[in-house]
Amino acid sequence: QKEVEQNSGPLSVPEGAIASLNCTYSDRVSQSFFWYRQYSGKSPELIMSIYSNGDKEDGRFTAQLNKASQYVSLLIRDSQPSDSATYLCAVNSYPYGDKLIFGTGTRLQVFP
Amino acid sequence: DTGVSQDPRHKITKRGQNVTFRCDPISEHNRLYWYRQTLGQGPEFLTYFQNEAQLEKSRLLSDRFSAERPKGSFSTLEIQRTEQGDSAMYLCASSRDRLWYGYTFGSGTRLTVV
Repeated sequence: QKEVEQNSGPLSVPEGAIASLNCTYSDRVSQSFFWYRQYSGKSPELIMSIYSNGDKEDGRFTAQLNKASQYVSLLIRDSQPSDSATYLCAVNSYPYGDKLIFGTGTRLQVFP
Repeated sequence: DTGVSQDPRHKITKRGQNVTFRCDPISEHNRLYWYRQTLGQGPEFLTYFQNEAQLEKSRLLSDRFSAERPKGSFSTLEIQRTEQGDSAMYLCASSRDRLWYGYTFGSGTRLTVV
């Protein structure tokens, strides 16, 4: 069974700063990686996906993948208080079934 | 695209009772997943369907849990003889055939067993 590890936080950053969230995974054959945002009491919402080594940018979000080191990260530029949420890293379990394995999430707090 | 729909949103039940939850996936999505999430934890996989076939079940899914997806459309998750440890958010998600695009989650059903 693959494992996905995240620091539970909270990670506190001031408004306008860059928030850096990290995730490591245990299985070298993992192929697709996802970041979900979850507000308190709500369900997870997909914000980024990444499949190849390197960076992928979408607005204020950048996902970074390094398969050799087995980590994936999420950078949030110009952090806003509305970004305060739990960020879940998820890894596709393929070829061990075909589902997402989630980490425990990192709680981000952006203060004004 | 009306999103993934779950019903009910909240359920309070007494220990020992049976409960059933329903999930309606996005219409063009063939895959349907059930997860359970407790406070401070990430979603834990329970089971998934491709069309009407149940392809994988977690060891977390004890004999008291059963899931169905008749005709490959909506799905139900039933918990028999509920225990206090079953209290959690039950999340349903759907996706296309290839898990390349991630899941879309429903709003979840929060179960409280008293």
